[in-house]
Amino acid sequence: QQQVKQSPQSLIVQKGGIPIINCAYENTAFDYFPWYQQFPGKGPALLIAIRPDVSEKKEGRFTISFNKSAKQFSLHIMDSQPGDSATYFCAARAGSARQLTFGSGTQLTVLP
Amino acid sequence: NAGVTQTPKFRVLKTGQSMTLLCAQDMNHEYMYWYRQDPGMGLRLIHYSVGEGTTAKGEVPDGYNVSRLKKQNFLLGLESAAPSQTSVYFCASSYQGRGNTIYFGEGSWLTVV
Repeated sequence: QQQVKQSPQSLIVQKGGIPIINCAYENTAFDYFPWYQQFPGKGPALLIAIRPDVSEKKEGRFTISFNKSAKQFSLHIMDSQPGDSATYFCAARAGSARQLTFGSGTQLTVLP
Repeated sequence: NAGVTQTPKFRVLKTGQSMTLLCAQDMNHEYMYWYRQDPGMGLRLIHYSVGEGTTAKGEVPDGYNVSRLKKQNFLLGLESAAPSQTSVYFCASSYQGRGNTIYFGEGSWLTVV
């Protein structure tokens, strides 16, 4: 049972394009929604995160849009660069240890 | 600053063998976690700990055991390895409280043949 559904599985864009990755959740106990970026052979690293009382958060070229009523959130990467090529995971946090539940991941390729 | 360190990084096991993955964090974090990553399935929580001497089951705990005898260490054990446990294992840690960042180690690649 996947509590956080992520799409698409893979995405290819040209340099300068705006890739968008979408996630949906069911559990209303989630109260913190981070995005992680993972390069091959490395562990996931926090990219940007949002709380459900905010509809949008921007950090540099990365923006999270959050729709609490629809239980959906998305990551937008402005002016994408080849160095952004990585796997991106959305996640949601809840529970006694504030543990993360991850989406299945999106492999992004930005062509030069 | 080391952050979260996992050992070993690579290991090949035969079916039925046992092994222990070691995770160490130097950030004085209360919470520690073990995840496994498989293609197309994201990261799934195996076990976690909210403090020294405490552990709890996550989403996929079967076939694994854990121990947290010291605050900075979290051990993941496989008593009798199976091919289905071939995966990449990630340890992570965080401070208590809402919104605190979870930091991941670099991963341990385990193959069971």
